[in-house]
Amino acid sequence: AQSVTQLDSHVSVSEGTPVLLRCNYSSSYSPSLFWYVQHPNKGLQLLLKYTSAATLVKGINGFEAEFKKSETSFHLTKPSAHMSDAAEYFCVVTLNAGKSTFGDGTTLTVKP
Amino acid sequence: GAVVSQHPSWVICKSGTSVKIECRSLDFQATTMFWYRQFPKQSLMLMATSNEGSKATYEQGVEKDKFLINHASLTLSTLTVTSAHPEDSSFYICSAFPDSYSNQPQHFGDGTRLSIL
Repeated sequence: AQSVTQLDSHVSVSEGTPVLLRCNYSSSYSPSLFWYVQHPNKGLQLLLKYTSAATLVKGINGFEAEFKKSETSFHLTKPSAHMSDAAEYFCVVTLNAGKSTFGDGTTLTVKP
Repeated sequence: GAVVSQHPSWVICKSGTSVKIECRSLDFQATTMFWYRQFPKQSLMLMATSNEGSKATYEQGVEKDKFLINHASLTLSTLTVTSAHPEDSSFYICSAFPDSYSNQPQHFGDGTRLSIL
């Protein structure tokens, strides 16, 4: 069994300040972990993925995430938020069968 | 990069109508595709797994006869909402895996907004 918990349903930051979106997971096996972003009325765009290689993963648009097995966490960070980063973010865990479990999502608001 | 095309993007129709949504992988073959439903301000809920050449696998609580899935080729899966009613109104999203290994990310279509009057 696997599960994903996104610890914050809403995060609000000012433009130019750091972003931290938190994700904890549980899995019986070694999972692959992903972060996706969704803009209104759009599908999901892949930001980055962890697949048992380097624990610090760099993604698109300046985002990165660190896999910490001891803490079962995969938090998403960005040093400096842009207005265009305002969106819904999903942490996703996937096992070999391809079935994915989604977190409930975190709404990121960026204030000018 | 891999692209998944979903069509139509927006449908408004009368109650009782059947609606077909297409999901195409444009530059890769996809043996497996997934169909999700998303309610406002909520996460994605997996409805079914579509496998080319075999019957779809539905999640618990999803009506097979209401949501018909056909995976006719390695690049096309369709979801037909039969005799749609207002409670079927939702945002439907498909995704496709380029291969069967979990460390490959799934690629999502842009979704279909279905509104039943």
